[in-house]
Amino acid sequence: GAGVSQSPSNKVTEKGKDVELRCDPISGHTALYWYRQSLGQGLEFLIYFQGNSAPDKSGLPSDRFSAERTGGSVSTLTIQRTQQEDSAVYLCASSARTGEVRYGYTFGSGTRLTVV
Amino acid sequence: AQTVTQSQPEMSVQEAETVTLSCTYDTSESNYYLFWYKQPPSRQMILVIRQEAYKQQNATENRFSVNFQKAAKSFSLKISDSQLGDTAMYFCAFTHSNYQLIWGAGTKLIIKP
Repeated sequence: GAGVSQSPSNKVTEKGKDVELRCDPISGHTALYWYRQSLGQGLEFLIYFQGNSAPDKSGLPSDRFSAERTGGSVSTLTIQRTQQEDSAVYLCASSARTGEVRYGYTFGSGTRLTVV
Repeated sequence: AQTVTQSQPEMSVQEAETVTLSCTYDTSESNYYLFWYKQPPSRQMILVIRQEAYKQQNATENRFSVNFQKAAKSFSLKISDSQLGDTAMYFCAFTHSNYQLIWGAGTKLIIKP
């Protein structure tokens, strides 16, 4: 697509439920990044993909968080047994390849997750 | 640990005025990149300007310019002739890796008519 697309735009879920957040990067971009933005804070790195592999998962806050990317395109971030502290905006970004972060990423508009 | 600090949680100026947003960072690396991103209510992060640490010349993009002081580890953003559309959150970010950005907490900028 022309830009990075994220869905849903907003998600309200009950504590303990599982949620899936989707990111569709710019067509042809091989690198994809997930960040979390909690209220009043900067972005926190979660994970990145080069193709379908995730060389660095160190930012995932707990084993309730997982992510996958298939076909070198769409990525899904899954949060199991959601907790109230998971409430945040989840932002996805892509770049043509890893290493181009020095030129800046292209971001989507994020998914605002609210756990009630 | 590498950190980015934005000491101004919120700033407010009149339209057409000049405003400077502050950012300091901490790193032991010699080669790195610095960025200012704008986040309007739409939530999408938009790259405003970037600076390569090995370049002494300050980056400029139209009304946006930076004051990069490498020794002081300071990277401030100046917005000239501010416009209502400049109202947004502004984030300073840093990288020396090939994939991860490290972010400040942001400054909320309000341009008043």
